[in-house]
Amino acid sequence: DQQVKQNSPSLSVQEGRISILNCDYTNSMFDYFLWYKKYPAEGPTFLISISSIKDKNEDGRFTVFLNKSAKHLSLHIVPSQPGDSAVYFCAASVYSTGNQFYFGTGTSLTVIP
Amino acid sequence: DAGITQSPRHKVTETGTPVTLRCHQTENHRYMYWYRQDPGHGLRLIHYSYGVKDTDKGEVSDGYSVSRSKTEDFLLTLESATSSQTSVYFCAIRGQGGSYEQYFGPGTRLTVT
Repeated sequence: DQQVKQNSPSLSVQEGRISILNCDYTNSMFDYFLWYKKYPAEGPTFLISISSIKDKNEDGRFTVFLNKSAKHLSLHIVPSQPGDSAVYFCAASVYSTGNQFYFGTGTSLTVIP
Repeated sequence: DAGITQSPRHKVTETGTPVTLRCHQTENHRYMYWYRQDPGHGLRLIHYSYGVKDTDKGEVSDGYSVSRSKTEDFLLTLESATSSQTSVYFCAIRGQGGSYEQYFGPGTRLTVT
Protein backbone atom coordinates (compact mmCIF):
# COMPACT_ATOMS: atom_id res chain seq x y z
CA ASP A 1 0.00 0.00 0.00
CA GLN A 2 1.50 3.27 -1.17
CA GLN A 3 1.80 5.61 1.81
CA VAL A 4 3.16 8.48 -0.27
CA LYS A 5 1.47 9.32 -3.53
CA GLN A 6 2.29 11.56 -6.43
CA ASN A 7 -0.78 11.44 -8.61
CA SER A 8 0.61 13.37 -11.55
CA PRO A 9 3.11 11.25 -13.48
CA SER A 10 4.12 14.18 -15.64
CA LEU A 11 3.98 17.96 -15.85
CA SER A 12 4.97 20.41 -18.59
CA VAL A 13 5.65 24.07 -17.86
CA GLN A 14 6.94 26.99 -19.88
CA GLU A 15 10.32 28.38 -18.94
CA GLY A 16 9.97 31.23 -16.47
CA ARG A 17 6.61 30.10 -15.16
CA ILE A 18 5.85 28.38 -11.87
CA SER A 19 6.03 24.59 -11.55
CA ILE A 20 3.88 23.04 -8.83
CA LEU A 21 4.45 19.41 -7.94
CA ASN A 22 2.08 17.73 -5.52
CA CYS A 23 2.40 14.92 -3.04
CA ASP A 24 -0.10 13.28 -0.69
CA TYR A 25 0.51 10.95 2.22
CA THR A 26 -1.70 8.68 4.25
CA ASN A 27 0.30 7.98 7.40
CA SER A 28 -0.40 10.65 10.03
CA MET A 29 2.78 9.66 11.87
CA PHE A 30 4.95 11.15 9.13
CA ASP A 31 6.49 14.37 10.35
CA TYR A 32 9.43 14.96 8.06
CA PHE A 33 9.24 15.37 4.32
CA LEU A 34 11.83 15.68 1.59
CA TRP A 35 11.96 16.35 -2.13
CA TYR A 36 14.51 14.82 -4.45
CA LYS A 37 15.33 15.47 -8.05
CA LYS A 38 16.53 12.76 -10.40
CA TYR A 39 18.11 12.99 -13.82
CA PRO A 40 18.26 9.93 -16.08
CA ALA A 41 21.04 7.45 -15.27
CA GLU A 42 21.87 9.26 -12.02
CA GLY A 43 20.94 8.80 -8.40
CA PRO A 44 18.37 11.13 -6.81
CA THR A 45 19.73 14.33 -5.31
CA PHE A 46 18.28 16.08 -2.28
CA LEU A 47 16.47 19.35 -2.95
CA ILE A 48 14.64 20.58 0.10
CA SER A 49 12.96 19.31 3.24
CA ILE A 50 10.35 20.38 5.74
CA SER A 51 9.47 19.40 9.27
CA SER A 52 5.86 19.19 10.39
CA ILE A 53 6.43 22.05 12.81
CA LYS A 54 6.58 24.34 9.78
CA ASP A 55 4.17 24.90 6.94
CA LYS A 56 6.67 26.41 4.52
CA ASN A 57 10.34 26.15 3.76
CA GLU A 58 12.15 28.10 1.09
CA ASP A 59 15.52 27.67 -0.59
CA GLY A 60 16.18 29.90 -3.54
CA ARG A 61 13.77 29.08 -6.34
CA PHE A 62 12.36 26.11 -4.43
CA THR A 63 9.61 26.32 -1.81
CA VAL A 64 7.89 23.45 -0.12
CA PHE A 65 4.48 23.89 1.46
CA LEU A 66 3.00 21.48 3.97
CA ASN A 67 -0.70 21.16 4.79
CA LYS A 68 -0.86 18.70 7.66
CA SER A 69 -4.61 18.62 7.95
CA ALA A 70 -4.90 17.64 4.30
CA LYS A 71 -1.81 15.40 4.45
CA HIS A 72 -0.54 17.21 1.40
CA LEU A 73 2.69 18.87 0.40
CA SER A 74 3.73 20.69 -2.69
CA LEU A 75 6.95 21.85 -4.26
CA HIS A 76 6.97 25.19 -6.06
CA ILE A 77 9.73 26.07 -8.49
CA VAL A 78 9.84 29.72 -9.52
CA PRO A 79 10.96 30.60 -12.11
CA SER A 80 11.21 27.25 -13.86
CA GLN A 81 14.29 26.66 -15.96
CA PRO A 82 15.03 24.03 -18.63
CA GLY A 83 17.64 22.49 -16.30
CA ASP A 84 14.84 21.73 -13.86
CA SER A 85 13.53 19.07 -16.26
CA ALA A 86 13.84 15.86 -14.24
CA VAL A 87 11.83 13.42 -12.18
CA TYR A 88 10.89 14.72 -8.75
CA PHE A 89 10.24 12.40 -5.82
CA CYS A 90 8.72 13.31 -2.51
CA ALA A 91 9.59 11.23 0.54
CA ALA A 92 8.28 11.00 4.09
CA SER A 93 9.56 9.70 7.38
CA VAL A 94 8.91 9.63 11.08
CA TYR A 95 11.69 11.83 12.43
CA SER A 96 12.03 10.17 15.83
CA THR A 97 12.83 6.81 14.28
CA GLY A 98 14.32 8.13 11.08
CA ASN A 99 15.22 4.76 9.72
CA GLN A 100 12.73 4.34 6.93
CA PHE A 101 11.85 6.73 4.17
CA TYR A 102 8.81 6.24 1.98
CA PHE A 103 8.93 7.61 -1.53
CA GLY A 104 6.26 8.60 -3.98
CA THR A 105 6.21 7.32 -7.53
CA GLY A 106 7.65 10.51 -8.96
CA THR A 107 6.55 13.30 -11.28
CA SER A 108 8.42 13.93 -14.51
CA LEU A 109 8.77 17.69 -15.04
CA THR A 110 9.51 19.10 -18.46
CA VAL A 111 10.34 22.78 -18.70
CA ILE A 112 9.81 24.01 -22.23
CA PRO A 113 12.23 26.73 -23.39
CA ASP B 1 29.68 14.62 -3.52
CA ALA B 2 28.94 12.22 -0.66
CA GLY B 3 31.59 9.73 -1.79
CA ILE B 4 29.25 6.87 -2.63
CA THR B 5 30.13 4.34 -5.28
CA GLN B 6 28.24 1.29 -6.45
CA SER B 7 29.57 -1.74 -8.26
CA PRO B 8 28.91 -3.10 -10.71
CA ARG B 9 27.07 -0.33 -12.55
CA HIS B 10 25.44 -2.75 -14.95
CA LYS B 11 24.90 -6.48 -14.71
CA VAL B 12 23.03 -9.09 -16.70
CA THR B 13 22.52 -12.42 -15.02
CA GLU B 14 20.44 -15.53 -15.43
CA THR B 15 17.52 -16.62 -13.33
CA GLY B 16 18.61 -18.69 -10.36
CA THR B 17 22.12 -17.31 -10.06
CA PRO B 18 23.34 -15.44 -6.98
CA VAL B 19 24.20 -11.78 -7.37
CA THR B 20 25.94 -9.38 -5.00
CA LEU B 21 25.86 -5.62 -5.38
CA ARG B 22 28.30 -3.46 -3.47
CA CYS B 23 27.91 0.00 -2.04
CA HIS B 24 30.98 1.80 -0.78
CA GLN B 25 31.11 5.11 1.08
CA THR B 26 34.07 7.20 2.12
CA GLU B 27 32.34 9.49 4.61
CA ASN B 28 31.96 7.14 7.59
CA HIS B 29 28.19 7.52 7.74
CA ARG B 30 26.32 5.29 10.13
CA TYR B 31 23.15 4.77 8.09
CA MET B 32 23.15 3.05 4.70
CA TYR B 33 20.20 1.99 2.58
CA TRP B 34 19.37 -0.13 -0.44
CA TYR B 35 16.45 0.85 -2.68
CA ARG B 36 15.08 -0.41 -5.93
CA GLN B 37 13.44 1.82 -8.48
CA ASP B 38 10.76 0.48 -10.77
CA PRO B 39 8.29 2.22 -13.09
CA GLY B 40 5.06 2.98 -11.29
CA HIS B 41 6.59 2.29 -7.88
CA GLY B 42 9.14 4.98 -7.33
CA LEU B 43 11.86 4.10 -4.86
CA ARG B 44 11.21 1.27 -2.44
CA LEU B 45 13.39 0.40 0.53
CA ILE B 46 14.84 -3.11 0.52
CA HIS B 47 17.09 -3.12 3.60
CA TYR B 48 18.95 -0.60 5.65
CA SER B 49 21.80 -0.61 8.13
CA TYR B 50 22.34 1.54 11.20
CA GLY B 51 25.83 0.30 11.99
CA VAL B 52 28.30 -2.50 11.45
CA LYS B 53 26.41 -5.79 11.62
CA ASP B 54 23.17 -3.91 12.38
CA THR B 55 20.62 -4.25 9.61
CA ASP B 56 16.87 -4.30 9.25
CA LYS B 57 14.26 -5.00 6.60
CA GLY B 58 12.48 -2.50 4.44
CA GLU B 59 9.18 -2.80 2.64
CA VAL B 60 10.39 -5.12 -0.18
CA SER B 61 12.99 -7.33 1.49
CA ASP B 62 11.83 -10.76 0.29
CA GLY B 63 14.49 -12.43 -1.84
CA TYR B 64 17.25 -10.10 -0.64
CA SER B 65 19.83 -10.23 2.10
CA VAL B 66 22.41 -7.69 3.21
CA SER B 67 25.63 -7.57 5.13
CA ARG B 68 27.72 -4.82 6.64
CA SER B 69 30.99 -6.01 8.09
CA LYS B 70 32.70 -2.64 7.71
CA THR B 71 31.34 0.88 8.07
CA GLU B 72 32.18 1.75 4.51
CA ASP B 73 30.65 -1.26 2.72
CA PHE B 74 27.04 -2.39 2.46
CA LEU B 75 26.40 -5.45 0.33
CA LEU B 76 23.08 -6.50 -1.19
CA THR B 77 22.73 -10.15 -2.20
CA LEU B 78 20.11 -11.79 -4.33
CA GLU B 79 20.48 -15.42 -3.33
CA SER B 80 18.71 -16.74 -6.41
CA ALA B 81 17.87 -14.01 -8.87
CA THR B 82 14.41 -13.88 -10.45
CA SER B 83 13.12 -11.83 -13.37
CA SER B 84 11.02 -9.76 -10.94
CA GLN B 85 14.28 -8.49 -9.46
CA THR B 86 15.21 -6.79 -12.72
CA SER B 87 15.46 -3.20 -11.58
CA VAL B 88 17.71 -0.26 -10.90
CA TYR B 89 19.24 -0.48 -7.45
CA PHE B 90 20.33 2.58 -5.50
CA CYS B 91 22.41 2.76 -2.40
CA ALA B 92 22.06 5.75 -0.11
CA ILE B 93 23.64 7.10 3.02
CA ARG B 94 22.08 9.39 5.56
CA GLY B 95 23.73 12.51 6.70
CA GLN B 96 25.33 12.87 10.09
CA GLY B 97 24.02 14.64 13.17
CA GLY B 98 20.75 16.47 12.67
CA SER B 99 21.02 16.19 8.93
CA TYR B 100 18.25 14.04 7.64
CA GLU B 101 18.55 13.97 3.91
CA GLN B 102 19.87 10.96 2.06
CA TYR B 103 22.63 10.97 -0.52
CA PHE B 104 22.37 8.44 -3.28
CA GLY B 105 24.88 6.52 -5.31
CA PRO B 106 24.76 6.40 -9.12
CA GLY B 107 22.75 3.16 -9.26
CA THR B 108 23.22 -0.37 -10.56
CA ARG B 109 21.08 -1.56 -13.45
CA LEU B 110 20.43 -5.28 -12.98
CA THR B 111 18.78 -7.41 -15.64
CA VAL B 112 17.76 -10.98 -14.82
CA THR B 113 17.07 -13.04 -17.93
